[in-house]
Amino acid sequence: LAKTTQPISMDSYEGQEVNITCSHNNIATNDYITWYQQFPSQGPRFIIQGYKTKVTNEVASLFIPADRKSSTLSLPRVSLSDTAVYYCLVGDMDQAGTALIFGKGTTLSVSS
Amino acid sequence: DAGVTQSPTHLIKTRGQQVTLRCSPKSGHDTVSWYQQALGQGPQFIFQYYEEEERQRGNFPDRFSGHQFPNYSSELNVNALLLGDSALYLCASSLGQASTLGGYTFGSGTRLTVV
Repeated sequence: LAKTTQPISMDSYEGQEVNITCSHNNIATNDYITWYQQFPSQGPRFIIQGYKTKVTNEVASLFIPADRKSSTLSLPRVSLSDTAVYYCLVGDMDQAGTALIFGKGTTLSVSS
Repeated sequence: DAGVTQSPTHLIKTRGQQVTLRCSPKSGHDTVSWYQQALGQGPQFIFQYYEEEERQRGNFPDRFSGHQFPNYSSELNVNALLLGDSALYLCASSLGQASTLGGYTFGSGTRLTVV
């Protein structure tokens, strides 16, 4: 899987929009970008996945520029419950049995 | 629809002992992967089981072994425990080997402490 780089930590306040950027300079043509969220003492949970431009679901938006060398996870109007570690993963969806390769992720702390 | 179930939730073992962790995959899933997560680190891939065979393996010693049963449940065994094996062990299930990066469902893990 392509190596990714993301900030170690971010701080925010309730109600603000949070944008977490992930760099993946060596992304391959067949690679997709996937984000997972992990709360303390729980397993990671899938948030969103995309290939290019913009993807939006009920939880977040994912912005991917044309060169695909980076991506931004956007969390609208965060609450205290959004405090978690967020992982950016990049890999080939068509590769059978692709194991997830996690980095250290970005620890988001939301305060009131 | 039951998610991934892991047991036990917490475990304390002594150095040199052996431990067995268990995982029941999400209903409809047939592939099980195991991850080790040390404090402050991201999960590290141990191995993946599909059709009762180990299909992929991460950079872990042979002390780590596993098994998958016909009902798709799985066990992770660790022999000759070291203090460094203390971690949260996560099980993730998915459907088929050609799973997408977003197709994994994780359990809440087993917290193993080696003393």
